[in-house]
Amino acid sequence: QKEVEQNSGPLSVPEGAIASLNCTYSDRGSQSFFWYRQYSGKSPELIMSIYSNGDKEDGRFTAQLNKASQYVSLLIRDSQPSDSATYLCAAGDDKIIFGKGTRLHILP
Amino acid sequence: DTEVTQTPKHLVMGMTNKKSLKCEQHMGHRAMYWYKQKAKKPPELMFVYSYEKLSINESVPSRFSPECPNSSLLNLHLHALQPEDSALYLCASSHGGDSYEQYFGPGTRLTVT
Repeated sequence: QKEVEQNSGPLSVPEGAIASLNCTYSDRGSQSFFWYRQYSGKSPELIMSIYSNGDKEDGRFTAQLNKASQYVSLLIRDSQPSDSATYLCAAGDDKIIFGKGTRLHILP
Repeated sequence: DTEVTQTPKHLVMGMTNKKSLKCEQHMGHRAMYWYKQKAKKPPELMFVYSYEKLSINESVPSRFSPECPNSSLLNLHLHALQPEDSALYLCASSHGGDSYEQYFGPGTRLTVT
């Protein structure tokens, strides 16, 4: 059974701080990894994709991948109240498996 | 442009009704997906179409019937649904080939009465 595990939270982070979100995956054959942001009542929005070991930065977001440890993380710098949402980690290729999501709450 | 559109936004249907959900993308993507999402749960894959052919059916009950008329359109035909089928139905598309980034539409909120 292929699984993606995330801490459900809520993760509370003060405004302006760094939010750190983590997930692990079970399928060593997975080649593609994604982070989606989902606001309540809305659809998931792709914010980061990462395919190789190391870091990938896009604005305030940094995704990190460690295939040896089967670990993916997302760092959000200078957290804003608008970052409050559920963050879904996903792994796979033609079929991606979603984690259950981590609820992030940025405290003003 | 990463827009996927879905209609209708909301749908209320009785258990004896037949209705259809529609999804459209104009990004030239060759893979399209249907997901079901219940409250506080992650999206759950239902069907995958790749190059207009059904490639994955996640053992979905036959009361859900997908259709891909062309590479830009994806339909989900609904018949004899149950109240527990009430959920947010999401369509997504990806480039296909070696690119698996999926872009989601806004979803259809379905209520079965």
